[in-house]
Amino acid sequence: AQKITQTQPGMFVQEKEAVTLDCTYDTSDPSYGLFWYKQPSSGEMIFLIYQGSYDQQNATEGRYSLNFQKARKSANLVISASQLGDSAMYFCAMRENAGGTSYGKLTFGQGTILTVHP
Amino acid sequence: GAVVSQHPSWVICKSGTSVKIECRSLDFQATTMFWYRQFPKQSLMLMATSNEGSKATYEQGVEKDKFLINHASLTLSTLTVTSAHPEDSSFYICSATRSGEGAYEQYFGPGTRLTVT
Repeated sequence: AQKITQTQPGMFVQEKEAVTLDCTYDTSDPSYGLFWYKQPSSGEMIFLIYQGSYDQQNATEGRYSLNFQKARKSANLVISASQLGDSAMYFCAMRENAGGTSYGKLTFGQGTILTVHP
Repeated sequence: GAVVSQHPSWVICKSGTSVKIECRSLDFQATTMFWYRQFPKQSLMLMATSNEGSKATYEQGVEKDKFLINHASLTLSTLTVTSAHPEDSSFYICSATRSGEGAYEQYFGPGTRLTVT
């Protein structure tokens, strides 16, 4: 079974509008972390935002916020005021801490290609 | 801080030859380094996890004799693709976690694009 699911292969948004990229996850581990990365056409992976499973508040980093709904096992990324430079592939990823071993192994979703139109 | 470099950034090699890719943490010591493989417009697939001074742990389905990983120091891990074939053409990305941290974040290298002709 997929541990991380991104159901939107592609998304389009108008410049300056907000967009939500969906991510659902599956784990039985009570301690886990959720990440979002941006990958532009150059290929580099850019860390955007992190949410820990025990964090009470939704994570925010500038124009990025994570809509964390633990009961639904979803961790959607919201990008506000989209910019042309936001056009890229976006990946949701999860790190599980099974048995207290947290060496950082990440599982990635399939990715969503975001295109920002002027 | 927390910069990871990869060398080379791209490489073209002939079928049957071996290629070595280096991953370096430039300004921190990396307890653990990870090697991923990515095909165009697809997700990152973890190939192996390497810890300094010990053997790498390979993911299911990854041939350890084909993809040799050596984590010789706290700042360097290498991936050698042996007897490369065209199907090994891919984007290879490494990442590293800092020593002493609870693996909060992985720092990614810029990737190496391998083309086997």
